[in-house]
Amino acid sequence: AQSVTQLGSHVSVSEGALVLLRCNYSSSVPPYLFWYVQYPNQGLQLLLKYTTGATLVKGINGFEAEFKKSETSFHLTKPSAHMSDAAEYFCAVSDRGNDMRFGAGTRLTVKP
Amino acid sequence: GAVVSQHPSRVICKSGTSVKIECRSLDFQATTMFWYRQFPKQSLMLMATSNEGSKATYEQGVEKDKFLINHASLTLSTLTVTSAHPEDSSFYICSAPVRAHTEAFFGQGTRLTVV
Repeated sequence: AQSVTQLGSHVSVSEGALVLLRCNYSSSVPPYLFWYVQYPNQGLQLLLKYTTGATLVKGINGFEAEFKKSETSFHLTKPSAHMSDAAEYFCAVSDRGNDMRFGAGTRLTVKP
Repeated sequence: GAVVSQHPSRVICKSGTSVKIECRSLDFQATTMFWYRQFPKQSLMLMATSNEGSKATYEQGVEKDKFLINHASLTLSTLTVTSAHPEDSSFYICSAPVRAHTEAFFGQGTRLTVV
C-alpha cells in the first residue's frame, strides 16, 4: 500500500520568498506522484505530476517538484511566493494513477 | 482535459433525511469513480470505489449502509448519505480516472451541512 507524509501542516513565507513544501512517500511499486492545490470550498487543481522520465517536473503557476527515489521524496518548490499562492497543498501517491492516497495537507500562508 | 461535474455544490439538510450527490463524467466514460470525504482542515480520505454495473468497494471503517453508492451508467455515480447526522457534515469529492491519462480528474466537491 502506498502513503504520503507531508512535513509541516502550516508553512508561512513572505511574498517573494522561496516556497518549499515537503512530501515523502511510501510505495511498494514505482509510484505516480502528484501535487494538488485547493482553495477554500473548492475542488482540487493539479499543479504537477511525476510518472516516469525526467525527475524534475514543472507545473503551473511557477511550481516545480523533484522526484528523489533515494530519499523517497517529492518536495514542491517555487522560487518566489505570490499572495495568490496562499492555499492548501496536498501531495498524493498512486500506483496506477487513479486511486490516490493523499497526505494530510500543508496550508501555505504568504505574508505581504 | 476531461471534465467531472459534481452536483450539488452545497446542500443543507435536516437530521434524519437523506441526501444524494451526483458525480458525472461529461466527456468520457468512467467505469470507475472514487468518492472522498474531507473534514475541515483535514486531508481527503478515500471512502469507496464505485464500479459501473457492480457493487462499490468500501474502505475499512466506512459504513456501506450509511453511504449508498450507485454507478448505474458509464457517466454517472451517486453517493447517498442516508439518515444524515450532523457528524456527516463534510466536503465530499468524487474523481474519475481517464484512459490514457495518468491521473484521475476531480469534481468540484459538495459541501454537506446537516442541521
